[in-house]
Amino acid sequence: QSALTQPASVSGSPGQSIAISCTGTSSDVGGYNHVSWYQQLPGKAPKLIIYDVDNRPSGVSDRFSGSKSGNTASLTISRLQAEDETDYYCNSYTSANTRVFGTGTRVTVL
Amino acid sequence: EVQLVQSGAVVKKPGESLKISCKGSGYSFINYWIAWVRQMPGKGLEWMGIFYPGDSKVRYSPSFQGQVTISADKSISTAYLQWSSLKASDTAMYFCARSQVGDYYSGMNVWGQGTTVTVSS
Repeated sequence: QSALTQPASVSGSPGQSIAISCTGTSSDVGGYNHVSWYQQLPGKAPKLIIYDVDNRPSGVSDRFSGSKSGNTASLTISRLQAEDETDYYCNSYTSANTRVFGTGTRVTVL
Repeated sequence: EVQLVQSGAVVKKPGESLKISCKGSGYSFINYWIAWVRQMPGKGLEWMGIFYPGDSKVRYSPSFQGQVTISADKSISTAYLQWSSLKASDTAMYFCARSQVGDYYSGMNVWGQGTTVTVSS
């Protein structure tokens, strides 16, 4: 099972919006509305920030939003802040009854 | 407070066996799925598999099927990840994580602190 494809890095200036893509196939991202996104700070466990494509868990900033079109899901971070500089991973349910992570994206705030 | 507490860091030799643990508290252990996730040094997250303590259902990622065993002892609210013969390439941080609801479609919202496994001769 191949990892979902994410850009290795995305950057933006404070206050701007950035988007991270997550490309899979019709057997994972495209076939189900069960895409999650995680934020991982250095040396820490991942934190769920989006589930089921576009839902935010309680307590997660509304600057984070998710969407999906075909086999590609996206995470948008609005009003970019210095604290958003870290790693982000998408994760999708698959037709094999398991889940798969994306390759990960490092966000840099310029 | 809902939390998952993992066992401590371990150093093993190639060929040795190992079982690491993940103890849940603050919630009904049998009603949520527990996943295991690998992160090799400097690399991304990899989904290994997921276990439902309520009926012992397990779903392995194809990459990890046959390489590890996921189990749980619901009497002590503890999930396990075990190897019968470690390799140097098993050196990694391993996280356990709990499903947000009673299925594993909607993401994992509670995570353990991670267990570092080092395999070296």
